Amino acid sequence: DAKTTQPPSMDCAEGRAANLPCNHSTISGNEYVYWYRQIHSQGPQYIIHGLKNNETNEMASLIITEDRKSSTLILPHATLRDTAVYYCIVNQGGKLIFGQGTELSVKP
Amino acid sequence: GAVVSQHPSWVICKSGTSVKIECRSLDFQATTMFWYRQFPKQSLMLMATSNEGSKATYEQGVEKDKFLINHASLTLSTLTVTSAHPEDSSFYICSAMTSGGALSTQYFGPGTRLTVL
Repeated sequence: DAKTTQPPSMDCAEGRAANLPCNHSTISGNEYVYWYRQIHSQGPQYIIHGLKNNETNEMASLIITEDRKSSTLILPHATLRDTAVYYCIVNQGGKLIFGQGTELSVKP
Repeated sequence: GAVVSQHPSWVICKSGTSVKIECRSLDFQATTMFWYRQFPKQSLMLMATSNEGSKATYEQGVEKDKFLINHASLTLSTLTVTSAHPEDSSFYICSAMTSGGALSTQYFGPGTRLTVL
């Protein structure tokens, strides 16, 4: 089973930061949190992953709470092309079990 | 880097025929590849895990005799849908990673849309 829960949908204004929350309260100590996104009819695209510390790359930032029970993906300046379904996934021994994700709509 | 391709990108076949889908890691060697299926408006469902040179491990409820997986090299895995029926129509997606465990990132192919008439 997927170990994550996410809101089914969110809206964001173009140019603003998009903050996507994820709960993973049953995560184990050595399990990483991964974020992917899927644009309609394409394969998922890797965004970022982390274990304990906050992470940042050219696409996004990942903030993980100290107790590791939740995390937030931040897209600092959302564009229309960021409209997609975003999946927060706990890597379970190399397996990715997808939940339902959050459908992010970036609006002009 | 980390590019995964799939072929074909879409296929239409008649009921009862078999269809083979290829998944290739183009710029890295993939010790492990995964196959997923996605129905409209639903999330991805993991079907099986394949390690190079060994038999695939199927998830519960996935028929191994219907979905044949071969991972003969470090850059190629194939999924054959045998005796396809309309209910097998779906979006099939593969992913590949360089090594096992939670430390390795999976990179996904673009998917193959299968329509069985």
